[in-house]
Amino acid sequence: IAGITQAPTSQILAAGRRMTLRCTQDMRHNAMYWYRQDLGLGLRLIHYSNTAGTTGKGEVPDGYSVSRANTDDFPLTLASAVPSQTSVYFCASSPGLAGPNEQFFGPGTRLTVL
Amino acid sequence: SQQGEEDPQALSIQEGENATMNCSYKTSINNLQWYRQNSGRGLVHLILIRSNEREKHSGRLRVTLDTSKKSSSLLITASRAADTASYFCATSGGSNYKLTFGKGTLLTVNP
Repeated sequence: IAGITQAPTSQILAAGRRMTLRCTQDMRHNAMYWYRQDLGLGLRLIHYSNTAGTTGKGEVPDGYSVSRANTDDFPLTLASAVPSQTSVYFCASSPGLAGPNEQFFGPGTRLTVL
Repeated sequence: SQQGEEDPQALSIQEGENATMNCSYKTSINNLQWYRQNSGRGLVHLILIRSNEREKHSGRLRVTLDTSKKSSSLLITASRAADTASYFCATSGGSNYKLTFGKGTLLTVNP
């Protein structure tokens, strides 16, 4: 089934633990993104990747890291989770070709850091 | 910082009425997009309007863009209960593909 999958669906994590959120797309899109969504703040870009092998920082990158070893996968890692990272995380992708690009979103991961 | 800002934050209407949501932004854009998010789900793209376009239609959706006022509006005609969702505008500028999202308008359509 074409689209974006995220795992896990939800997670409760103790502060200080390391956590990797997984994101996979099968649309062969060049560009991928990680957002966090918090009540009253909307969606904020954490990191992005325009193509495999490259990544860039978004609006709120601190405390997060990403890698883009191949076209399909774009994992987000929290090296040492803190309660302020409690949020809903969305992965998205877009064709990344010349011209305007719509983004396709995954179903999200709800993360609670205690 | 947020680029797009939607107005109103929340809107409640009766089924069959039209719903209008507005978006204002601060800097030059290449295009503006509208997305919909049902509760607990990911965002879904609705419509894209380029900076050189003034109006665009898609089914019951009508989007306008006024670059001189740095604003856009999304009109949903003949609303249905199933249109209940949050609606976000997102702007794109520069040479990359990144989008900057607003905080959204929560639309409730009462049957």
